[in-house]
Amino acid sequence: DIVMTQTPLSSPVTLGQPAAISCRSSQSLVHSDGNTYLSWLQQRPGQPPRLLIYKTSKRFSGVPDRFTGSGAGTDFTLKISRVEAEDVGVYSCMQATQFPRTFGQGTKVEIK
Amino acid sequence: EVHLVESGGGLVQPGGSLRLSCAASGFSFSIYAMSWVRQAPGKGLEWVSAISDSGDKTYYADSVVKGRFTISRDNSKSTVYLQLNSLRAEDTAVYYCTKEWYPELDVWGKGTTVTVSS
Repeated sequence: DIVMTQTPLSSPVTLGQPAAISCRSSQSLVHSDGNTYLSWLQQRPGQPPRLLIYKTSKRFSGVPDRFTGSGAGTDFTLKISRVEAEDVGVYSCMQATQFPRTFGQGTKVEIK
Repeated sequence: EVHLVESGGGLVQPGGSLRLSCAASGFSFSIYAMSWVRQAPGKGLEWVSAISDSGDKTYYADSVVKGRFTISRDNSKSTVYLQLNSLRAEDTAVYYCTKEWYPELDVWGKGTTVTVSS
């Protein structure tokens, strides 16, 4: 199974400041079709997860442009350019390149 | 609007069984694969199982399932199921139904809670 490792696990951020979360996979996420199926999900307190970023860097419908995904191979990053109060929650990376799908441990973003 | 509504969770004794259901609406159910993901209290997300659009292919997290869970679907009812057998305390979690979108998980239900306790 592919192991997904996120850092940091907790990220206290000042409103309006940037935040970055790293996700590393134990093997390359490049699929045989050439795509890299790495996604980022946001889970606000008390809510189900929500897809933010898919295929490493594509913003899902309705996601603000302050969220940016990047990376390749085994190293990926989610950046929030200016954190807003509604961004508080847990962010998880997930690989869908192979079965079983696997998630990172989750990174808790909170306001300082 | 796209909706996934899970049901069937509850309190069950160790060794017991439950059948979770997920009713889908607002999209062409029969052309999408579906997955179940769970989240134990205070823990991260854990993928459990997936089923292809036609139902002919199924996938499981072997480390989690160990032959105890079975995924199935009824396209005529736009519903996907997860049969949980031989339940253990560590299966206690919120179980989310999700829609696979080539192949990311783009739609999530609100979840149904399974509690395994005597």
